[in-house]
Order: sequence, then C-alpha cells, then structure tokens
Amino acid sequence: QSALTQPASVSGSPGQSITISCTGTSSDVGGYNYVSWYQQRPAKAPKLMVYEVSNRPSGVSNRFSGSKSGNTASLTISGLQAEDEADYYCSSYTSSSTFYVFGTGTKVTVL
Amino acid sequence: EVQLVQSGAEVKKPGESLRISCKGSGYSFTSHWISWVRQMPGKGLEWMGRIDPSDSYTNYSPSFQGHVTISADKSISTAYLQWSSLKASDTAMYYCARGDGSTWAFDYWGQGTQVTVSS
Repeated sequence: QSALTQPASVSGSPGQSITISCTGTSSDVGGYNYVSWYQQRPAKAPKLMVYEVSNRPSGVSNRFSGSKSGNTASLTISGLQAEDEADYYCSSYTSSSTFYVFGTGTKVTVL
Repeated sequence: EVQLVQSGAEVKKPGESLRISCKGSGYSFTSHWISWVRQMPGKGLEWMGRIDPSDSYTNYSPSFQGHVTISADKSISTAYLQWSSLKASDTAMYYCARGDGSTWAFDYWGQGTQVTVSS
C-alpha cells in the first residue's frame, strides 16, 4: 500500500487561502468517506483537524475545511495565520490489509 | 479530559528488547481501538497496527507484522508496543493514537516516545 500523494510544500501570505491536495485510489480516498486531516507543529504530536472528509472536531477553527472529488481529497485553510505554519497529513481508511494509509505530508509556510 | 500519556524516551543498543507504553484516561479504555504510528527522523507518519483493548484483538500493517508486538492491559488502561530485537532502523518517534471506530480517524494522540537505537 503506497502512501497517499500530497504536495511537499504550500505557501501563502497572511489572510490568503491555500489548498492542500491528497491523491489516492478507489481503494482508499475514492472509495470511502473516511478521509481525515492532521496538523503537526514542530516537535509536537499530530492533531485531528478534519474527519470524514469535511467534518471538524469541536474546537477546530472554521478556517479549516475539507472536501473530496473522485480519488482526491483537499484541505483548505482560509484567512491564513502565522500559527497555521505546520506539517499537514491526510489519512484514509483503505480496503487493503493496512486498514489505514497516511499521506506523504505537506509543509505549510506562511510568508 | 481524554488523555493518552506515553512512557519516556529510550536509548538502546541493537539487539536489545524494549517495551513502550501508552496509558489512557478520561474515557472508557475498552471502547476505542489504540493504534501505533511511527515517524522516522524528518519523515512522515506510518500506521503500524492497532489493538482492541476489550479483547486484545490486533491488526498489523504488513510492513510491521512480525517486527513488533502490540498488546494491552485493560485493567490499567495501558497499551504497549514492544520489540524483541531492536535495529538501528527502529530509531524513530512512536505515537499512540485513539481510533474512532465510526469515523476511522485518530481523535486523540499521545505525546510521543522517542526511541534511539545506537551502538
């Protein structure tokens, strides 16, 4: 089971919107609405930001939104802030024997 | 408050054995799977496997099957990840994470345990 494909880096200025893509296959992203997104700040544990493609846990800013089209899921951060600078990983349930697959990770830089 | 608290950093030699732990609190420990996730230095997240603490049923990623053992003691709300013979390539940060059975997301994470294997 290969990792889901994400861009290595995305950057934006404060106040702008950015979108991170996460491409898989029909066995994972495309086949199920079990895509989640995690934020990992330097030297910290990952934090759940979005689950089931587009749902936000309690306490997560509504500046974070998720969507999916075909085999590609996306995380959009609107009104970019300095505190959003972190690594972001997508994850999906997969029908393969691994059950879970993570994305390759995207470093978000706020210019 | 839901918390997963992991054991402290470890420095070991190749060939040594090791068990690290993850203690859950603030929720019913037997109601949620616990997964283990590896992060090698400067790299991404890799799912290793999971355990159902209610009956200790486990699933492993093929990449880790046979290399590690996941176990749990529900009486003390603690999950474990263990190696019988460490290699230098096991050097990594290891996270435990609580799995939500209905959303397939990891909703709470431990703080991580750094394992360093060096001669």
